[in-house]
Amino acid sequence: QVQLQESGPGLVKPSQTLSLTCTVSGGSISSGTYYWTWIRQYPGKGLEWIGCIFYSGITYFNPSLKSRVSISVDTSKNHFSLRLTSLTAADTAVYYCARYVTGYSADEGFDIWGRGTLVTVSS
Amino acid sequence: DIQMTQSPSSLSASVGDRVTITCRASQGIRNDLGWYQQKPEKAPKRLIYGASSLQSGVPSRFSGSGSGTEFTLTISSLQPEDFATYYCLQYNSYPLTFGGGTKVEIK
Repeated sequence: QVQLQESGPGLVKPSQTLSLTCTVSGGSISSGTYYWTWIRQYPGKGLEWIGCIFYSGITYFNPSLKSRVSISVDTSKNHFSLRLTSLTAADTAVYYCARYVTGYSADEGFDIWGRGTLVTVSS
Repeated sequence: DIQMTQSPSSLSASVGDRVTITCRASQGIRNDLGWYQQKPEKAPKRLIYGASSLQSGVPSRFSGSGSGTEFTLTISSLQPEDFATYYCLQYNSYPLTFGGGTKVEIK
């Protein structure tokens, strides 16, 4: 059974850079069927798609964050990572990693999620 | 970006009630829509994909319908474990976008 687990700091100072990692267990990140995704949920409960990466390194990002975000993948460690720069209080949220089933499958969409990690931006 | 407008934002219902939640897309998205259930302190869980296909393991009282710009999630007979917040997600085009959520509370 595939599981995803986020890891990283829970508290980051304004203007600093957030780095989170999502470790995939029970399956290979190198499957051609999935995009590996970051999503965040604000304290008011709204959900925002941040971006995703294919095992080959192809990425897509939300234009609202594109200048500040990068996502990388390490197939040898079976994990992928999020980097978000120039943090402000508005970036305070629960950050989820999720597996996105591509359109090559009938069941396209986010089928597996990590438990999420709360990131607070505060001095 | 495609805007997803969900209604209502909250509702109160009793066990056994039939509940319907609507999601409208700002432009046509074919049937590229999923429905998710989220309970407090938990990650969202997929219920429906492709607008109307039931995720494996999800009770058959959940159903989805619609195509184009208007979609509905129906719970045919609300159960105690169904009190949660529900979100729609469009994956027709980037950036992927979610509806604002519908909180289903106990009457």
